[in-house]
This record gives sequence, C-alpha cells and structure tokens, in this order.
Amino acid sequence: SAVISQKPSRDICQRGTSLTIQCQVDSQVTMMFWYRQQPGQSLTLIATANQGSEATYESGFVIDKFPISRPNLTFSTLTVSNMSPEDSSIYLCSAPYRLAGGSDTQYFGPGTRLTVL
Amino acid sequence: RKEVEQDPGPFNVPEGATVAFNCTYSNSASQSFFWYRQDCRKEPKLLMSVYSSGNEDGRFTAQLNRASQYISLLIRDSKLSDSATYLCVVRGDSSYKLIFGSGTRLLVRP
Repeated sequence: SAVISQKPSRDICQRGTSLTIQCQVDSQVTMMFWYRQQPGQSLTLIATANQGSEATYESGFVIDKFPISRPNLTFSTLTVSNMSPEDSSIYLCSAPYRLAGGSDTQYFGPGTRLTVL
Repeated sequence: RKEVEQDPGPFNVPEGATVAFNCTYSNSASQSFFWYRQDCRKEPKLLMSVYSSGNEDGRFTAQLNRASQYISLLIRDSKLSDSATYLCVVRGDSSYKLIFGSGTRLLVRP
C-alpha cells in the first residue's frame, strides 16, 4: 500500500483566512482524492485531483472555495478559502490502491484537523 | 435515502463476545465492497474486502448478499483493541468513487 503524508496535521485559523493542506504519496498515482469528515460524521468526497487537468468536484463543493493543485503524480494541495467555523473538520487525502483480488480501493493520509474560530 | 446505511450503535459488548454489523446499499450496480476501521482521531484503514462468497480473516468474517444489497461483518472473540468505528464502504458501478456509511461504533469492555 502507499504511504501518504499530510501537512499540517492540525491548525487553528481565524475566519476569513485560507489554509493550504499538502498531501504527499510515496508512489506515482493517477488520481488523488480529497475528503472532509465533519465532527461525528462519515467521510464525504470533496473532489478528485487529476494530474494535468482540472480537479473534478462533487456536488456541493466548488473550486472557488476548495481550489486544488496537482503538479505531479505524487503531490496535491487543497486550499480551504475564506474560512468560516462551518469549515471546521478533518480533511483527508487518499490515493487508489488495487488489492490482490483485483478490487480498487483507497488508502488515506493521517488527516488535517482544522478548527476555524 | 442514504446510499450506504449502517446502524450507528454504539454496540457495547464484553470481551470475548461475538458481534455482527450490518449495512445496506442502494445502488444495485455497485461493484466493490469494503469494511474500514477508524480509531478515534485517526484516518480510516482498510479492514477487509467483501465478496459474495464470503471471506474470513482471523476473527473477522465479511459477507455480501447482492440480491438483498446487504453487507455484514462478524467479529468473533472480541478484544479490547477492537473498539473503534467500523465503516461500510461501497464503490460504484463505473466509478472510482467510494461511498462511506456513517459508521458503527463498537465498544468492547473488560
């Protein structure tokens, strides 16, 4: 499985500011994924980061609020823009992985815990 | 209706107990199914895949019933270290997207 790291691991930010989260994978992958996990909730996919093209956003998430970069096959960033307290959440990146049986699943980074005051 | 539904629990069981979790999914074209485990303040980690023929990994047994769109996870001889949230996860028909259930919390007491 891939080893995925994220920076920062946590941050406390003021409303109206922006935070960029970095995700590094130890192997080349075509797609990387960004999720949000709000307190007490399960994971919701924000967008898929494609190398060499625009990110694909899920319903309810827009590029102006969550711009994504994917400069190469091992790295991606997610920016949470113009933050409000409602953006307080854990943000996780993931990378695809093919299991021995042929199923495609994903492995996750350790997450970035964001608190917006 | 949620795409993947789970009983949120918590399930509070003594050590050594057998506990079963259930999950239903709405998209009959779903291709792949998984159970993930998430410890408090940690990322989700793959526990096991789920196949129609059923699969077993030590104390854990997973089963898929495509006709009923139902997935189960059985944990035998529960350990304190099994305490976590168990996430039922489904991958769509032609998509790479994973759809997560809300999770079932398990507490194993001494």
